[in-house]
Amino acid sequence: GAVVSQHPSWVICKSGTSVKIECRSLDFQATTMFWYRQFPKQSLMLMATSNEGSKATYEQGVEKDKFLINHASLTLSTLTVTSAHPEDSSFYICSATNAQRNNSPLHFGNGTRLTVT
Amino acid sequence: DAKTTQPTSMDCAEGRAANLPCNHSTISGNEYVYWYRQIHSQGPQYIIHGLKNNETNEMASLIITEDRKSSTLILPHATLRDTAVYYCIVRLGGSNYKLTFGKGTLLTVNP
Repeated sequence: GAVVSQHPSWVICKSGTSVKIECRSLDFQATTMFWYRQFPKQSLMLMATSNEGSKATYEQGVEKDKFLINHASLTLSTLTVTSAHPEDSSFYICSATNAQRNNSPLHFGNGTRLTVT
Repeated sequence: DAKTTQPTSMDCAEGRAANLPCNHSTISGNEYVYWYRQIHSQGPQYIIHGLKNNETNEMASLIITEDRKSSTLILPHATLRDTAVYYCIVRLGGSNYKLTFGKGTLLTVNP
C-alpha cells in the first residue's frame, strides 16, 4: 500500500532556531502534499498545500514566511519552521496521494513532534 | 466541502461490531465519504471510502444511505487496538483536494 514517511519523528530545538521536516512518498509520485498541525486534544488543522514545482498555498492565518514549504520533486516535500517559538510546539503531519491513480485516498505520515524550548 | 456530524464518543465491547455513524446531509453529488482513524500520537490511518455504493475491505465496511446523507462505518469484530478517534470526512475525488478534519468520534473498545 501507499506509504508516506516523515522525518524526524520528534525534534527538540531552542527558540529562534529553524527546523526542517521531511515528507516522502515512498512508493508513489505525489504532485500534491498537504501539511497539517495538531495541538493537544484538538483535531488536525490544514496549514498548507504543497504543489510540486510551484509555490505552496497557505491556509488563512498561516504565515508563509514562517512555515517555508518546498516541494522540489514528486516524492519529497519539506516544511521548515523558521525562528521557532515555544508556541510552535505541536504535532506536524504531512499527507500525500498517488497522482497517477484516480481517486486514490490521502495517506499520512506518522507525524513529527516538535518541541521548542 | 460538506460538513459532517459525528458523536463525540462511543464505547464498544471487544469482539463485538462497532458501528460508527456519520451525518453529511449537505453532501454534493461528486463528493466521496472518507473514513480515517487516528491512534494517539500517530498520523491518521486511511480506512475506507465510497461514493454511493456500500464498500468493504479488510479493515471495515462502509454503508452509505441511498440519499447519501449519512453513512455508517462498521468494524465487524472490534479489538482493543481499534481504540482511536475516527474521522468521517466528505471530500471531492482527485489528488489535489484537501481533507478537512472535524472532531471525530473517540471509540473506546473495552475488554
